[in-house]
Amino acid sequence: GDSVTQMEGPVTLSEEAFLTINCTYTATGYPSLFWYVQYPGEGLQLLLKATKADDKGSNKGFEATYRKETTSFHLEKGSVQVSDSAVYFCALNSGGGADGLTFGKGTHLIIQP
Amino acid sequence: DAGVIQSPRHEVTEMGQEVTLRCKPISGHNSLFWYRQTMMRGLELLIYFNNNVPIDDSGMPEDRFSAKMPNASFSTLKIQPSEPRDSAVYFCASSLEGRRSPLHFGNGTRLTVT
Repeated sequence: GDSVTQMEGPVTLSEEAFLTINCTYTATGYPSLFWYVQYPGEGLQLLLKATKADDKGSNKGFEATYRKETTSFHLEKGSVQVSDSAVYFCALNSGGGADGLTFGKGTHLIIQP
Repeated sequence: DAGVIQSPRHEVTEMGQEVTLRCKPISGHNSLFWYRQTMMRGLELLIYFNNNVPIDDSGMPEDRFSAKMPNASFSTLKIQPSEPRDSAVYFCASSLEGRRSPLHFGNGTRLTVT
């Protein structure tokens, strides 16, 4: 079945540092890939998405490129801010019989001033 | 649009009591999902509906859990009887049909069963 693996957290960085959160996946067919962000006490919000190989999703300074050859969708940001502190979830939708997303376990990101 | 609306935001109940969680999806969305989030197991898909019809309930933990969607603008998740291990944050999400459509989440209901 489908699965998503992301790096364990928490990840602690200083403000303005470069961020990478790794995500790899296993899926049938050609899934769509997503990154969601969850701030304390809130639901998940879509951060960015990519629907086919080599697509790059971007939003709010975050980027991720759909790499079919390595089955990866790593999240990057060049200079993080304290306000980026949150839990980040990688997810996929292979559309194979269920329209729900398969989520990774989430990576807690802590940015220190 | 107001987004996905869930109620209540917090629910504290005693073991054995019935709990009903409510969800109003985004107007026009035809898929609705119930997820449960815990520290141990992360996000788990419990059940999803398409056009008000339950499609996959394989994630529902046991018979104590039931979900309904009587119309396109309302869904409930019921736990009867509740147990302490049901304590979690329950999220409702909605989307347009199709693998390219993202899910839109509500702010969740934090359930505590004592």
